Amino acid sequence: DTEVTQTPKHLVMGMTNKKSLKCEQHMGHRAMYWYKQKAKKPPELMFVYSYEKLSINESVPSRFSPECPNSSLLNLHLHALQPEDSALYLCASSQDGTGVGEQYFGPGTRLTVT
Amino acid sequence: GDSVTQMEGPVTLSEEAFLTINCTYTATGYPSLFWYVQYPGEGLQLLLKATKADDKGSNKGFEATYRKETTSFHLEKGSVQVSDSAVYFCALRDFGNEKLTFGTGTRLTIIP
Repeated sequence: DTEVTQTPKHLVMGMTNKKSLKCEQHMGHRAMYWYKQKAKKPPELMFVYSYEKLSINESVPSRFSPECPNSSLLNLHLHALQPEDSALYLCASSQDGTGVGEQYFGPGTRLTVT
Repeated sequence: GDSVTQMEGPVTLSEEAFLTINCTYTATGYPSLFWYVQYPGEGLQLLLKATKADDKGSNKGFEATYRKETTSFHLEKGSVQVSDSAVYFCALRDFGNEKLTFGTGTRLTIIP
């Protein structure tokens, strides 16, 4: 099973709302990732968790707050977002954070900020 | 730093045509190479991979060979189907690097 699940599939939120995106994998992977993808562009890396510790933050604004409660779960907490934050948010996982292994992606959450 | 250069799209082909999408890379170390496919409204799916020079990755009729001498990983398929219409991303991951470096993506449309 190479499945990464994400909820919700779609999310519409106002600029003053607080919401969370969730990601789950049961492949025993120890690295998990958040990406942001705008239309007609490749995914852009936001955060990497390796063995449940934040290892990379790609200078993401503080209105995005990641959390890794355990090795299977990854959350992205959203607060005071801007309309330009509307995008597809993808979660991914890989065996670990240092090898050459592939990353497996979830289906994404389509976020619209109004 | 690492980079991936991909053939500009969009590419439109007739069903059963031969497909090539070019991909070249620059890397400081010894990367693994990947092709991902993204169907409309979906996430990325790993299509195939190669981890060392001269490896050939293959899946669903698609193939790509890791060519170190030309730093290339071109995607090929002998006979495309309408269901192959999607965006294709070439990507690399350098050993010891947590990051995946993507190309810009190539949109492929197959017409019946």
